Amino acid sequence: QSALTQPRSVSGSPGQSVTISCTGTSSDVGTYNYVSWYQQHPGKAPKVMIYDVTKRPSGVPDRFSGSKSGNTASLTISGLQAEDEADYYCCSYTGSGTWVFGGGTKLTVL
Amino acid sequence: EVQLVESGGGLVQPGGSLRLSCAASGFTFSTYWIHWVRQPPGKGLEWVSIINTDGSVTRYVDSVKGRFTISRDNAKNTLYLQMDSLRAEDTAVYYCARDTQMTADPWGQGTLVTVSS
Repeated sequence: QSALTQPRSVSGSPGQSVTISCTGTSSDVGTYNYVSWYQQHPGKAPKVMIYDVTKRPSGVPDRFSGSKSGNTASLTISGLQAEDEADYYCCSYTGSGTWVFGGGTKLTVL
Repeated sequence: EVQLVESGGGLVQPGGSLRLSCAASGFTFSTYWIHWVRQPPGKGLEWVSIINTDGSVTRYVDSVKGRFTISRDNAKNTLYLQMDSLRAEDTAVYYCARDTQMTADPWGQGTLVTVSS
């Protein structure tokens, strides 16, 4: 049950695109298409932005997209906006009924 | 509106016990699996536990196995987390979250548990 690996921080200017990676193993990300991404602003509860690797809940802007290749999932945010500045966490089902989160990535909008 | 409200957090000494509650409303509680997720101050999210619809299936992260017990009362639309033998490293904000299509959504606002002497 080791945490998924994410970069500690990423940054971009308004209007640019950024991609956050999430590396797991063949026991979690590599096997299951149950990868989700959560956005968390300071002092707030997390909010799901992407689920099932690529799906976007209603109300989430289409600037947010997800993908997966092998043991690595990615979240891409295009057309960066100031309100996108937050912490982002990936999460994967691991089998045996358990889940694992990534360590989190702080997104700074310059 | 779907809502989850945690309660029961507080200050407890190492080795002590605490029971958290998560009151659900706005959806048919008995038809959803529910997660507990925690977040130590200034740190990342850690998945803790999950329970199925009737409470017959439970899963835990290794670090809490044998110390924490998840349960639910569908008649009261309430989820619980009984935490025993608490350690300093259990200090965190504890969130409950509904499992929706293998995704934690939505989340409650969290309740803070502090383990300290």
